[in-house]
Amino acid sequence: AQKITQTQPGMFVQEKEAVTLDCTYDTSDPSYGLFWYKQPSSGEMIFLIYQGSYDQQNATEGRYSLNFQKARKSANLVISASQLGDSAMYFCAMREGTGGGADGLTFGKGTHLIIQP
Amino acid sequence: DAMVIQNPRYQVTQFGKPVTLSCSQTLNHNVMYWYQQKSSQAPKLLFHYYDKDFNNEADTPDNFQSRRPNTSFCFLDIRSPGLGDAAMYLCATSRDRGVYEQYFGPGTRLTVT
Repeated sequence: AQKITQTQPGMFVQEKEAVTLDCTYDTSDPSYGLFWYKQPSSGEMIFLIYQGSYDQQNATEGRYSLNFQKARKSANLVISASQLGDSAMYFCAMREGTGGGADGLTFGKGTHLIIQP
Repeated sequence: DAMVIQNPRYQVTQFGKPVTLSCSQTLNHNVMYWYQQKSSQAPKLLFHYYDKDFNNEADTPDNFQSRRPNTSFCFLDIRSPGLGDAAMYLCATSRDRGVYEQYFGPGTRLTVT
């Protein structure tokens, strides 16, 4: 079973509009972290925002916020006031933490976001 | 600025000719990772080092090896590249065990001819 599901392969959004990228996850580990990364066409993975499973409040970083609904196991990324430079692939990822392991990230398949002028 | 550096950014190798990709970090992080990302796919973890301890993913082919001679450097060796190994290879670091963010380098795009 997929651990991270991103149901939107591609999205077109008008510049300056807000956009929500969906992400649902599956884990039985009580300790985990959820991450969003942006990957422009150049290939570099850029860390955007992080939400820990025990965090009480939704994470925010500038124009990025994470709508964390633990009971529904969803961690949607919200980008406010979208800009042309936001056009990229966006990956949701999870890291499970119980046991203090150093395991890598499990990624979703990504959403290709295109901002239109 | 502290960062993760990968060299080269683009690498072309011939079928079956060994190739080494390098990664260095100035973050002084304990954990270093190698991911493979094929076109239009999500990154897939190959292996990671926690300090000097090597951890291989179960489905990583034997063709892929790694070395970490010190905290700052980590290498990915592909002993006999096949056409199917053409991909972007991403190096990442993490401060420590547990739920910490990973910081990625710019990647090396490998072409196999």
